Amino acid sequence: TQLLEQSPQFLSIQEGENLTVYCNSSSVFSSLQWYRQEPGEGPVLLVTVVTGGEVKKLKRLTFQFGDARKDSSLHITAAQPGDTGLYLCAGRDGNNRKLIWGLGTSLAVNP
Amino acid sequence: DTAVSQTPKYLVTQMGNDKSIKCEQNLGHDTMYWYKQDSKKFLKIMFSYNNKELIINETVPNRFSPKSPDKAHLNLHINSLELGDSAVYFCASSQEWEAGELFFGEGSRLTVL
Repeated sequence: TQLLEQSPQFLSIQEGENLTVYCNSSSVFSSLQWYRQEPGEGPVLLVTVVTGGEVKKLKRLTFQFGDARKDSSLHITAAQPGDTGLYLCAGRDGNNRKLIWGLGTSLAVNP
Repeated sequence: DTAVSQTPKYLVTQMGNDKSIKCEQNLGHDTMYWYKQDSKKFLKIMFSYNNKELIINETVPNRFSPKSPDKAHLNLHINSLELGDSAVYFCASSQEWEAGELFFGEGSRLTVL
């Protein structure tokens, strides 16, 4: 069974701090997506990474796909209260194309 | 206009009842999905429909039945509701089957008493 483990599960930090969230698996994925879910809303796509070693930046968010396409990280610089939410990673199985979801990292950024 | 809309947003009902949740997408996408998000926030795929054909049916009790009158709609009907059915149910769509970005609705919070 494919699993995507995310760490940490919960994170509470002060505004201005930096943080990194990890998404790990023993399986290889053809691509990996990161979503953010705010309370009372559905997940919204932040980024898709496809190539091993790929780095993508979205303002203060930096996403990296592992060289072996088994893991990914999300780094947030100078976190703001608006970054608060549940961050979900989802890997696309290269064989059956199914999307495998992580359990999420719940981030709270305090002003 | 909301891209993926689902109703109702909140649903409180008694055990044993039958209920439906409706979903509509105006994105012109070919595939629609139903996900269940439990109290631990894990997103579990329940069904997906591609051009009116059921593609995925994970180990979901047959009390749950998806119904798609057309490509833009995928409704979820639940019979004989149980306490364990309490969760947030999300409808989503994508342009192609199991590819690309998923667009989610706002969710329908079901509480079974």
